[in-house]
Amino acid sequence: DGGITQSPKYLFRKEGQNVTLSCEQNLNHDAMYWYRQDPGQGLRLIYYSQIVNDFQKGDIAEGYSVSREKKESFPLTVTSAQKNPTAFYLCASSGTGGFQPQHFGDGTRLSIL
Amino acid sequence: RKEVEQDPGPFNVPEGATVAFNCTYSNSASQSFFWYRQDCRKEPKLLMSVYSSGNEDGRFTAQLNRASQYISLLIRDSKLSDSATYLCVVPRGAGFKTIFGAGTRLFVKA
Repeated sequence: DGGITQSPKYLFRKEGQNVTLSCEQNLNHDAMYWYRQDPGQGLRLIYYSQIVNDFQKGDIAEGYSVSREKKESFPLTVTSAQKNPTAFYLCASSGTGGFQPQHFGDGTRLSIL
Repeated sequence: RKEVEQDPGPFNVPEGATVAFNCTYSNSASQSFFWYRQDCRKEPKLLMSVYSSGNEDGRFTAQLNRASQYISLLIRDSKLSDSATYLCVVPRGAGFKTIFGAGTRLFVKA
């Protein structure tokens, strides 16, 4: 079945540590996205990528980094510069012809130890 | 005006009721929209697409009012399983970036 796989489901970060969240899709989508959701809040865009080896900052990119070396993969690194990383992180993908709906992975919950 | 705004909710309705949510948007050039459903602590899932004046899928009807720049979602004969947060999605400018509304929470009670 086609879909988006995020791992791990739960992640704990120590102070000063970088952590990487994995996102893999087999939907053959060109565009991929990372969102952050805080309790009771909407989704905020961190980074997005329209094509391999290219990505753009979203609304809240500070303290995060991404790479897009393969079409299927769009990992997100939460760096130690992100002082409030506790949140629900969602990865999504979509086609790029016109306005296409985004399909989501089941998310990663990140907490600080 | 915010790029996208939704009724804050929560909406508390009995089973069998009809309930409607609104979502206003500021980009008058927007041509198409989506409604997503998000269950507690889960990912959003696509509910309906709205590409023209409206769309209907079973108990769910989405309507678009371009003149007033809002979309609505109507749920008829509410079920307990309809309890969730409903997010509207609008395009942001040209291209494929989107804006998600903050969502409207619905509780359907027996």
